[in-house]
Amino acid sequence: EAGVAQSPRYKIIEKRQSVAFWCNPISGHATLYWYQQILGQGPKLLIQFQNNGVVDDSQLPKDRFSAERLKGVDSTLKIQPAKLEDSAVYLCASSPDKDQPQHFGDGTRLSIL
Amino acid sequence: GQQVMQIPQYQHVQEGEDFTTYCNSSTTLSNIQWYKQRPGGHPVFLIQLVKSGEVKKQKRLTFQFGEAKKNSSLHITATQTTDVGTYFCAGGSSNTGKLIFGQGTTLQVKP
Repeated sequence: EAGVAQSPRYKIIEKRQSVAFWCNPISGHATLYWYQQILGQGPKLLIQFQNNGVVDDSQLPKDRFSAERLKGVDSTLKIQPAKLEDSAVYLCASSPDKDQPQHFGDGTRLSIL
Repeated sequence: GQQVMQIPQYQHVQEGEDFTTYCNSSTTLSNIQWYKQRPGGHPVFLIQLVKSGEVKKQKRLTFQFGEAKKNSSLHITATQTTDVGTYFCAGGSSNTGKLIFGQGTTLQVKP
């Protein structure tokens, strides 16, 4: 089966600019996750979708981050405006349902200048 | 809020030695999952434990889930250079299925 697809792989922007990431989960997976992984740390959940509804976004900085999964399939994560501290790898993952093993994409490495 | 702590942060071993990483949660978990991340790669699922006291083996890897469902361990017997990477435990919330990842244990194996 095809894995989780993410784009772009790398992005370099200046602070205060905006950026968007795209994720296409494994076909049929109901649950989609966005994580932020800072170098040397474990992935931190930003938002979790169940189909097209938000299950958990308690750690999403909502003043600058937004995410949507309108048709319950692919998803976008946006940062506007970016700060230096947002430099990280943004990982998308999907699972058949909640509480099940997650399949991760290759991630987007974001550098803020 | 819920926290998942992992120790040690780093471990260097000689090839053939054993390795263990420990994971502790501040709250009772519905399940625990283990992932491996190679340098420059993404986390890859290894195993999920659900039952209190559960023990599962995958070749040289042994995973345990504590009786109170608040701690877990991963033990690798006779490490090989292919075992190099960062091992993450992730504790599951019974309400949402949300996973809280530990900070990981990075394993280096000297040939």
